[in-house]
Amino acid sequence: GENVEQHPSTLSVQEGDSAVIKCTYSDSASNYFPWYKQELGKGPQLIIDIRSNVGEKKDQRIAVTLNKTAKHFSLHITETQPEDSAVYFCAASNDNFNKFYFGSGTKLNVKP
Amino acid sequence: DVKVTQSSRYLVKRTGEKVFLECVQDMDHENMFWYRQDPGLGLRLIYFSYDVKMKEKGDIPEGYSVSREKKERFSLILESASTNQTSMYLCASSQGGRAQETQYFGPGTRLLVL
Repeated sequence: GENVEQHPSTLSVQEGDSAVIKCTYSDSASNYFPWYKQELGKGPQLIIDIRSNVGEKKDQRIAVTLNKTAKHFSLHITETQPEDSAVYFCAASNDNFNKFYFGSGTKLNVKP
Repeated sequence: DVKVTQSSRYLVKRTGEKVFLECVQDMDHENMFWYRQDPGLGLRLIYFSYDVKMKEKGDIPEGYSVSREKKERFSLILESASTNQTSMYLCASSQGGRAQETQYFGPGTRLLVL
């Protein structure tokens, strides 16, 4: 089955700096890559996603890039703010039942 | 907005007890999922369902069963709870069909088995 690896496990940045989280996947059939943000005491919430026919997608301060050849995708957050502090998960999906395979998570701490 | 609710935020049970975790979604979604979340392991799929009365094993189904008698409700059952089932349990739902769709998550149930 699919295997998704996520790095780093923790990331600490100064407010205003950029943050980058990277994921790799193993199954070349994967075609959908969502990113979730989980705040303390809450369930994960989708923040951005990308499909395999697109190389990059941007939504305000958040962007995701996908390299299908290398089988990796990354989340970029610019101008970080303290409210960006949370755990971020990447995922990959490769079949019709919409099963997701999640990375192990990155705890982002934005210092004011 | 999609809403996924879970019956309890916190549960404390004893080893050997039968435990029911309930999940309800209000968007008429076809697919529903149960995950457990443990530090450093991310979210691991226990079971999922793509239709009423249909269920499929995920990656870690041992010790769990599920029930989906109505489209909006998906229950996770621990037949005989054990201490290694202490975890955060997350329910999710998504639309059916062949295209990959976003999964929407509930707030989670933190289960402690003593």
